[in-house]
Order: sequence, then structure tokens, then C-alpha cells
Amino acid sequence: GDSVTQMEGPVTLSEEAFLTINCTYTATGYPSLFWYVQYPGEGLQLLLKATKADDKGSNKGFEATYRKETTSFHLEKGSVQVSDSAVYFCALLAPLIKAAGNKLTFGGGTRVLVKP
Amino acid sequence: EAQVTQNPRYLITVTGKKLTVTCSQNMNHEYMSWYRQDPGLGLRQIYYSMNVEVTDKGDVPEGYKVSRKEKRNFPLILESPSPNQTSLYFCASADADWAKNIQYFGAGTRLSVL
Repeated sequence: GDSVTQMEGPVTLSEEAFLTINCTYTATGYPSLFWYVQYPGEGLQLLLKATKADDKGSNKGFEATYRKETTSFHLEKGSVQVSDSAVYFCALLAPLIKAAGNKLTFGGGTRVLVKP
Repeated sequence: EAQVTQNPRYLITVTGKKLTVTCSQNMNHEYMSWYRQDPGLGLRQIYYSMNVEVTDKGDVPEGYKVSRKEKRNFPLILESPSPNQTSLYFCASADADWAKNIQYFGAGTRLSVL
């Protein structure tokens, strides 16, 4: 079945450091890929998405590129802030023919802590 | 404001005492879903609904029930909670148009079963 693997945290960084969170997936066909962010005490919010190979999703200074050849969707930000401290989830949505239930398959989440 | 509202946010209960977690969305979405979040496992789907009176099992449905009598509401029912259902629960909703599919999540319900 479909699966998503992301690096385990926690990841601790200083403010203005470069952040990378690795995400790889296994799926049949061409899934859509997402990054969701969960701030402390809140629900998940969509951070960015990409729906086909070589698409780049971007939002709030974060970027991720859909790499079909490496089945990856790594999240990057060039200069993190304290306010970026959160848990980040990589997720995939199966292609339409398998999309019964619109089920998102999530990775285990990566906690990021940014220190001043 | 587009919202998915869950209640309660926190709940402590005892084994076997029936409980219901409510979920309501104001976006007229056809699709609604329940997930549970456990450390290191990400979110796993419990049940989903493609429309009113249409529900189906997700990956971890055992011990849960749902109903979809109205489009906006999708309650999660634990008939006889057990300690292994201690978890953080999220309700989500989405438009039925797969091409626009972005799932909106509630703030979560943290459940402890003693």
C-alpha cells in the first residue's frame, strides 16, 4: 500500500538557520503530495502542495519539489524563525482512480524547534 | 470564516463509558473524515464519509462508529472506550472535487481513557 517516510525529529535549529525535512513516498501512479504544519495546540494546516512531477509548492518561505525519479518531496526553508516551531507532516493523496475516501496517507511527523 | 469545529477539545473518561465527539464544518463540503494521531505514526484514518448517509471504514475503524445525517456534521462515537483509544483525534473536511482537494482540519480532541 501507499506509505510516506519522513525523518524523525526533533530537529533543533537556531533562528536564521537553513531547514530541510526529508520525505520519501511509496505509491502506485502519480499521487498528489502535501506538507501540513501543526502549531502547538492547533489542528493541521496545509502548508504547500504539488500535484505532478517537477511541480514546486511554496508558501511562507517554505518550498518543496515533487521529484518522481527519487520519489521525494523534501521541505526546505532558507531562514527559519522562532514562529516556525511546529510539527511538520508530509502526506500523499492517491491518484483519482484510487481516491476512494480521499484518504491522506501521512508520515510520522517531524517536530521542529527553533531557538532564538 | 471557513472552519471545522470539534468538541470537546479535551476529554478524560473511563473504560466502557460511551462518548461522542462532535464535528461540524461550514464550507458545505461533501467529504468528511476522522483521523487519530499517535506518536511516530502520523495520522491514520478511522472513518470517512463521501456525502450524507454515505460512510465507510478507513484504516483503523475498530471500536468506532460514525453517522452522517446532515452534510455539516460528522460525529465520532465510541460505544465502549478502551485505553488503547487514548489518542488525539482530528476531523477533516474537503470538497468532493478531487482536483481541488485540500483537506481542512479541526483543532483536535485529546481523549484519555482510564
